[in-house]
Amino acid sequence: QLQLQESGPGLVKPSETLSLTCTVSGGSIRTNSYYWGWIRQPPGKGLEWIGSIYYSGSTYYNPSLKSRVTISVDTSKNQFSLRLSSVTAADTAIYFCARLPWFGLLPTLTFDYWGQGTLVTVSS
Amino acid sequence: QSALTQPPSASGSPGQSVTISCTGTSSDVGGYNYVSWYQQHPGKAPKVMIYEVSKRPSGVPDRFSGSKSGNTASLTVSGLQAEDEADYYCSSYAGSNDLVFGGGTKLTVL
Repeated sequence: QLQLQESGPGLVKPSETLSLTCTVSGGSIRTNSYYWGWIRQPPGKGLEWIGSIYYSGSTYYNPSLKSRVTISVDTSKNQFSLRLSSVTAADTAIYFCARLPWFGLLPTLTFDYWGQGTLVTVSS
Repeated sequence: QSALTQPPSASGSPGQSVTISCTGTSSDVGGYNYVSWYQQHPGKAPKVMIYEVSKRPSGVPDRFSGSKSGNTASLTVSGLQAEDEADYYCSSYAGSNDLVFGGGTKLTVL
């Protein structure tokens, strides 16, 4: 059974960089046609797609966050990571990692496996 | 890229049906048949209930159904049960490899 687990600091200071890692177990991140994504949810609010990455390193980012986001992949560790720079209180959220089947796979363009999420608070 | 529009709340009594709407534009919901619906219980990760507008993953009860007309997608929950009380989010492909979520709807089973 595929499992995803987020890890990283739960507290980040304003203006600094948020860094999270998602470790995939029970399957390989190097699987054709699966992207891997980050989604966040401010407390009490809705979901926001941050971006997605393929094992080759190909990335797609939410245009509203693109200038501050970097997603990378480490296939040797079966992990992918998120970096969000210049954070403010508005970046306080639960951050989820998830698998995203791409065109040609089901459920297409739908996050089908999710991590449990990790709360990141931006505060001095 | 703007969030898709969902009503903040919906409700129904056990056994009844309730429909939740998700309105976008011709650049997302109306332009592609890649609308998904997620159910999220408090403190849990979202779970996919519907993908490609109307398809159900295995294990999802057939009480859940999806449809689309123009720029608006809909999720219908028939035969409401207590465990259906949750937040529901729609999402859509928005072209250029972008994805967009709706603001979420809190479904209350009265």
